[in-house]
Amino acid sequence: GQSLEQPSEVTAVEGAIVQINCTYQTSGFYGLSWYQQHDGGAPTFLSYNALDGLEETGRFSSFLSRSDSYGYLLLQELQMKDSASYFCAVTGGYQKVTFGTGTKLQVIP
Amino acid sequence: DAGVTQSPTHLIKTRGQHVTLRCSPISGHKSVSWYQQVLGQGPQFIFQYYEKEERGRGNFPDRFSARQFPNYSSELNVNALLLGDSALYLCASSTRPDRETQYFGPGTRLLVL
Repeated sequence: GQSLEQPSEVTAVEGAIVQINCTYQTSGFYGLSWYQQHDGGAPTFLSYNALDGLEETGRFSSFLSRSDSYGYLLLQELQMKDSASYFCAVTGGYQKVTFGTGTKLQVIP
Repeated sequence: DAGVTQSPTHLIKTRGQHVTLRCSPISGHKSVSWYQQVLGQGPQFIFQYYEKEERGRGNFPDRFSARQFPNYSSELNVNALLLGDSALYLCASSTRPDRETQYFGPGTRLLVL
């Protein structure tokens, strides 16, 4: 089976940097994705890591360490609109994608 | 180009009934996946279809079934509805099953009474 763990809630100040961690246990692993979901909305793809290291896309960066079964999403220059739930997701065997339970990020002024 | 579209947006059913949810992928996308998202939880993988064939299946009972049509649109069917089937059902499309980027539709919110 597959399981992913992430913090349930994180609060950060506008303009600051926040890191959301994700640890996983999987029977097969092809890559780790991150999605953002605002209340009432659909998940939106943010980033994907198949290899170890850091991927940067604008204010968002994602890191993966396959040996540690660990990844994180880094959000810089936080804005109020970044308040949302963030999910890590593992793509495993047979194209099965398993999502974590999500981290609710609250950005405060 | 239009994004992923799903219909209906909301649906109310009673226990024991059957429901069909529909999804149209982004033009050019041949892979469609279905997810169930219960309030406060992450999406749970139900099925993936590519080129009209099932390529992946999650841990859902046989009451759940799906199919993909020649135009790559897809239907998710749920029989003998239970109260616990109340959830947001999301469809996501990608160009191929192994593409990491999935584009989600707005979802169908199903309430079973």
